[in-house]
Amino acid sequence: QSALTQPASVSGSPGQSITISCTGTSSDVGSYNLVSWYQQHPGKAPKLMIYEVSKRPSGVSNRFSGSKSGNTASLTISGLQAEDEADYYCCSYAGSSPLFGGGTKLTVL
Amino acid sequence: EVQLVQSGAEVKKPGESLKISCKGSGYSFTSYWIGWVRQMPGKGLEWMGIIYPGDSDTRYSPSFQGQVTISADKSISTAYLQWSSLKASDTAMYYCASFGPGGWFDPWGQGTLVTVSS
Repeated sequence: QSALTQPASVSGSPGQSITISCTGTSSDVGSYNLVSWYQQHPGKAPKLMIYEVSKRPSGVSNRFSGSKSGNTASLTISGLQAEDEADYYCCSYAGSSPLFGGGTKLTVL
Repeated sequence: EVQLVQSGAEVKKPGESLKISCKGSGYSFTSYWIGWVRQMPGKGLEWMGIIYPGDSDTRYSPSFQGQVTISADKSISTAYLQWSSLKASDTAMYYCASFGPGGWFDPWGQGTLVTVSS
């Protein structure tokens, strides 16, 4: 299985909104609503930000939201803040093997 | 508080064996799957496999099948990842994480850095 496709980098200014895409196939992202998103700051462990496409774990800011259309899932961060600068990974679970995206580096200008 | 605490960094030579650990606390360790994830230097996340500590049911990523062994000791709430013969290409950060029914990983351990060098 190939990794899910994410843009290598995205950037935005404080206060703006950005969207990170995660493209798979009808066998993974398109199959189930089991897409999760992770934030990873340098030297730190990943942190769950979104699960089951659009659900937010307790404690995660409502500036983070998720959606899916067909074989592409998306993570949107609104009201960008300096602390949002990090790597972001999507993950799809089609009932057998989790599959990660290649990761996207978010730069807050 | 649900917490996963991993063993410390390791420096090994090619051909040596290694077993790293991940100890769970604050929840019923035998009731949730534990997954292992590799992150090579400067690279992304790769799922290696998962284990259900309750009965040691284990699933491996095809990429890691036969390369590593995942196990668990439910009596001490600890999962393990082991290699019988390390290679330089095994140099990476390894994370354990609780694997939820919807395919999400949460929470994560702090990571164990494995360095394999002659």
